[in-house]
Amino acid sequence: KNEVEQSPQNLTAQEGEFITINCSYSVGISALHWLQQHPGGGIVSLFMLSSGKKKHGRLIATINIQEKHSSLHITASHPRDSAVYICAALASFGNEKLTFGTGTRLTIIP
Amino acid sequence: DSGVTQTPKHLITATGQRVTLRCSPRSGDLSVYWYQQSLDQGLQFLIQYYNGEERAKGNILERFSAQQFPDLHSELNLSSLELGDSALYFCASSLHPDQPQHFGDGTRLSIL
Repeated sequence: KNEVEQSPQNLTAQEGEFITINCSYSVGISALHWLQQHPGGGIVSLFMLSSGKKKHGRLIATINIQEKHSSLHITASHPRDSAVYICAALASFGNEKLTFGTGTRLTIIP
Repeated sequence: DSGVTQTPKHLITATGQRVTLRCSPRSGDLSVYWYQQSLDQGLQFLIQYYNGEERAKGNILERFSAQQFPDLHSELNLSSLELGDSALYFCASSLHPDQPQHFGDGTRLSIL
């Protein structure tokens, strides 16, 4: 069993739908990253959060440390949001080894 | 553009060879991270440097080594290459370890 699990593995939705991607982790963490990997391979860091909620444009990330769970939400989804979304757990500050989830492949259909 | 530069973009070589991948971090960033992404293993953390010193180590093989130079650029050396080393190798940098990371475009290594 992976230390970081994501669901769903694949998600196809219509343009405009509200999207939720989930990430659960089994280890104690100091922070959690959400990354976006484009079809061309490039990786963009979306959020790094240790508690609560962060918002950037149409993207919202939340984390519940007690429940060891984080979610990434996309409002008013658009075809350009089609990508692989990866969560990664940071064990501790001082030893910044990231453990990655397997990713969620999101496809938004126009 | 993340500001992180990786060279080369593509590298094709043969088994048993040695290659060097180079990373220039974003201006001012002190931390450099190396990751490997293969089809069967996904993204894996290899190693992290902070201001020239090794700070964290992941699943990095003994055949692989890295360093960060005084000008903060970093190199990842891969030797005695095997078919299974074919992967995308990403470098990322951050101002400090507790800051978000910025990723380079990666080096695609193909072993024939």
